[in-house]
Amino acid sequence: DQQVKQNSPSLSVQEGRISILNCDYTNSMFDYFLWYKKYPAEGPTFLISISSIKDKNEDGRFTVFLNKSAKHLSLHIVPSQPGDSAVYFCAASDDKIIFGKGTRLHILP
Amino acid sequence: KAGVTQTPRYLIKTRGQQVTLSCSPISGHRSVSWYQQTPGQGLQFLFEYFSETQRNKGNFPGRFSGRQFSNSRSEMNVSTLELGDSALYLCASSSSDRGYTEAFFGQGTRLTVV
Repeated sequence: DQQVKQNSPSLSVQEGRISILNCDYTNSMFDYFLWYKKYPAEGPTFLISISSIKDKNEDGRFTVFLNKSAKHLSLHIVPSQPGDSAVYFCAASDDKIIFGKGTRLHILP
Repeated sequence: KAGVTQTPRYLIKTRGQQVTLSCSPISGHRSVSWYQQTPGQGLQFLFEYFSETQRNKGNFPGRFSGRQFSNSRSEMNVSTLELGDSALYLCASSSSDRGYTEAFFGQGTRLTVV
């Protein structure tokens, strides 16, 4: 039973364009949502988060949007840079953090 | 401020053996969680400890166990290892005392079972 779903295993985006990573969840009790970025051979690093009482949170090039009625969130990266190539994990929490399976983002030169 | 430290970084064990992994959280963090990462499965939640008590548990067999010490350091034990236990085991610490906000991860322990 996958409570957090990232349906795109991979995504390729041209450098300088917008990257949009999507995530769906099933548990309406989740009250906090997070995005993590992971490079090979490293642990995930926290990127950005959003509380369920908000619908948008922005931090530099990264913006997370939350649509509670659709149980959907997305991460926008603008503009995309080569260093953004990594695996991105969507996560949601109630009393523990549940992760999706990740989306591998490739930024093309 | 030192980050989350996991030891060892790499480990090779034989089927049937047991293994103990260690995690030292960020100073002041009382919550420690463990995750298993395998190709195609993302990060699967194993369990969480807070103030020496297991607060949450994922859907893993009883061969996977853990504990937390009074200094918040945590250990994870896997007994009777199986080939399928080969994975990256990640530990995360958090300062939250009610559920979760951000968790900070260590670099992980890569376990290979042969």
